[in-house]
Parts: sequence; C-alpha cells; structure tokens
Amino acid sequence: GAVVSQHPSWVICKSGTSVKIECRSLDFQATTMFWYRQFPKQSLMLMATSNEGSKATYEQGVEKDKFLINHASLTLSTLTVTSAHPEDSSFYICSARDGGTGKTQYFGPGTRLLVL
Amino acid sequence: AQSVTQLDSQVPVFEEAPVELRCNYSSSVSVYLFWYVQYPNQGLQLLLKYLSGSTLVESINGFEAEFNKSQTSFHLRKPSVHISDTAEYFCALQIQGAQKLVFGQGTRLTINP
Repeated sequence: GAVVSQHPSWVICKSGTSVKIECRSLDFQATTMFWYRQFPKQSLMLMATSNEGSKATYEQGVEKDKFLINHASLTLSTLTVTSAHPEDSSFYICSARDGGTGKTQYFGPGTRLLVL
Repeated sequence: AQSVTQLDSQVPVFEEAPVELRCNYSSSVSVYLFWYVQYPNQGLQLLLKYLSGSTLVESINGFEAEFNKSQTSFHLRKPSVHISDTAEYFCALQIQGAQKLVFGQGTRLTINP
C-alpha cells in the first residue's frame, strides 16, 4: 500500500518549452501533495504544498508563475515547468500525505528533467 | 524554527559491520521523526518513523532508531550491514499538527566488501 507514482520518470526538452510532471497516489487518497526539488548530492528542497481543490502554497523564493501546480483530484497533482531553462534541470520529487493516517508522506520515484 | 542535523555527510563501513547514522533535531514543540532511504536515481522510501509510544522503532530490513527526547536525537542503527544498504539516508521531522517535513542534509552510506 501507499504507492505514489510519477510520470514521466525522465524528460529532455528544449529551452523555452513547458514540461508537465504528474504525481499520482495509487492506492490512497491524498488531500495534500508536496513537490520537492533535489540538486545532485543535496537534500530535498520543498517547492510547494498542494491541497486538493485549492491553490498551492509556494515556499519563499519559488516562482509560482514558473512552476504551476494543479491538484484537481484526491489522487493527482501536476507540476508544470513553464518556459524551461537549463537552470531548471533537476530531479523533481513529489510526495503525498495519506488523508487517512495523516502523518506520513509517501514519495514518488522522481522525475529527472534535463533542459537543453 | 525547526532544524535537522545529520552529523556525517558520508559513512563508509565494511560489509557485516555495525553502523550508526546520527541525527539531531531542534524544535520547541513536539515532533514526529522519520528516516527515509534513497537509492541512486530513485525517490525516497520510508524506512521507519516515530510518532508516539515506544521510543525504539524498527524497520523490516533490520534497521532501528531510538527517539531520545533529552538528547534531541533519532540515530539510525543496524547491527550488520549488507552491500544492498548502500544508499543516501535522510532524517526528517514534522511538527505535530503541521504538514511540512524538514529534512537533514543526508548521509551517504557506502558499504565496502
């Protein structure tokens, strides 16, 4: 149980294009999902908290117009990197909080983005 | 503000040796504590967690961690490691009633044959 999937697992795109990453909770309902960014050999940096049916809450320094987050259902959240640039290249990881137990975050496998 | 400090960025050990990965936290309010493991090019997997009750918590693959409130620590231990334990380990805290996780910097555990 408590499986979170991400799609795609990796993506290469040209500078200036937009990329959408999906995060799904497969066997539980996630009222809250989180999006993280991880640079090589570093810890996870929380980008935003996404609650189903409402606007995401972004961490300080994260551009909300660049990183669009949508949480339209209890099992799906999407992160769209708009007008991607090479400095956006990173490992993006989502997590979902089990609405039932409420205390544990389960993480997706991550999406590696490379912007050329 | 809350913080998590993992005192060792890298820990090399020989196979079948014991290991301890240290984690200290700072918080003025009650917290939940977690250990996550990240294998290369993968997301994080929950290893074990302390929410309440017994201060010693165990995982299914032989790891254990002990919550020590007086020392504000949550060190991770395993009596005998395997090559497959090679990974990055993250300690994290969550304020009770809040949603965010605060992560430590991570400890890279390398097992040598």
